[in-house]
Amino acid sequence: DGGITQSPKYLFRKEGQNVTLSCEQNLNHDAMYWYRQDPGQGLRLIYYSQIVNDFQKGDIAEGYSVSREKKESFPLTVTSAQKNPTAFYLCASRNGVSGIYGYTFGSGTRLTVV
Amino acid sequence: GQQVMQIPQYQHVQEGEDFTTYCNSSTTLSNIQWYKQRPGGHPVFLIQLVKSGEVKKQKRLTFQFGEAKKNSSLHITATQTTDVGTYFCAGPETSGSRLTFGEGTQLTVNP
Repeated sequence: DGGITQSPKYLFRKEGQNVTLSCEQNLNHDAMYWYRQDPGQGLRLIYYSQIVNDFQKGDIAEGYSVSREKKESFPLTVTSAQKNPTAFYLCASRNGVSGIYGYTFGSGTRLTVV
Repeated sequence: GQQVMQIPQYQHVQEGEDFTTYCNSSTTLSNIQWYKQRPGGHPVFLIQLVKSGEVKKQKRLTFQFGEAKKNSSLHITATQTTDVGTYFCAGPETSGSRLTFGEGTQLTVNP
């Protein structure tokens, strides 16, 4: 079955550490997105990529970094510069860089700073 | 920048009652999308509306897109406990490269 796989499902980070969240899709979608969701809140865009080797900052990119070396993969690194990283991180993809198709979301990674 | 606002933020209903959430955009939208997120889950795409004044139905769910293409609504008839979750609307920015999500309406249904 096609879909988006995010791993790990739960992640614990010590202060000062960088961590990388994995996002892999086998939908052959061009565009991929990273969102952050805080409890009871909406979705805030961190980074997005419409094509391999290219990506753009979203609304809350500070303290995060991404890469898009393969169409299928869009990993997110939460750096030590992100002061409040505890949140639910969602990866999504969409078919067509300017299409009007709905997003497919992964099941998310819950990151907690300990 | 573009803003998408939803009301109400929370809605508690008795099972069998109807439910409506409203979405308003600060700009005219080419389309509007609706998503549902179950508690502890991830958003799932429900539907996309494109045409001015468009109405679409999915069983007990009715989606409308305003004539000016700046507002939308989701109405659920005779809610069930399976309807529990947060409903988000989302509209594309002018470039079409990204969506702006509303804050969502969290629906709870008392059996």
